[in-house]
Amino acid sequence: DIVLTQSPDSLAVSLGERATINCKTSQNVLYSSNNKNYLAWYQQKPGQPPKLLIYWASTRESGVPDRFSGSGSGTEFTLTISSLQAEDVAVYYCLQYQSTPRWTFGQGTKVEIK
Amino acid sequence: EVQLLESGGDLVQPGGSLRLSCAVSGFTFSNFGMSWVRQAPGKGLEWVSAISGSGGSTYYADSMKGRFTISRDNSKNTLYLQINSLRAEDTAVYYCVKIEGSWSWGQGTLVTVSS
Repeated sequence: DIVLTQSPDSLAVSLGERATINCKTSQNVLYSSNNKNYLAWYQQKPGQPPKLLIYWASTRESGVPDRFSGSGSGTEFTLTISSLQAEDVAVYYCLQYQSTPRWTFGQGTKVEIK
Repeated sequence: EVQLLESGGDLVQPGGSLRLSCAVSGFTFSNFGMSWVRQAPGKGLEWVSAISGSGGSTYYADSMKGRFTISRDNSKNTLYLQINSLRAEDTAVYYCVKIEGSWSWGQGTLVTVSS
């Protein structure tokens, strides 16, 4: 199984400042035949299902603010919130779908306001 | 509009059984693979099981094999998850997820295993 490890487990950022979350996969999730990284990012707020932010490691889902961006390739990935807003307080998960349908998630990173 | 509505969650005693359902609308159900993902209280997301659009292929997380059975009725646009020999650690919100094409999640149904 592909294991995903996120860091940090939690972080507190001032409003308007940058938040950075890392995700490391135990296996390469870059599929050479199409040069795509099978890595996504989800945001989850209390009492709600997860909401897709980013797929293919860096493609923003329709309607997601452009302050959210994804980067990385192979086994190391980053989700960046360029200017943290109050509504961004949530838990963020990375997801690998290279082994679809056997998805695996990172353990989650809790983002709070400092 | 794609909609997924889970039901069947309940308070169950250890050792009991439960069948969860997910009624879908807004897409051609039989064309898409589906999954169940669960989330224990205060914990992260855990993939449980998946099934192909035809229902001919099923997949389970290693820790779920034997007690969990995924199935679907394409004539009723409904996905199911049968859970037997329930344990306290099965307590979670169970989400139904469309995993092909555009991904979609239901709101979840809560299963509580307690005496």
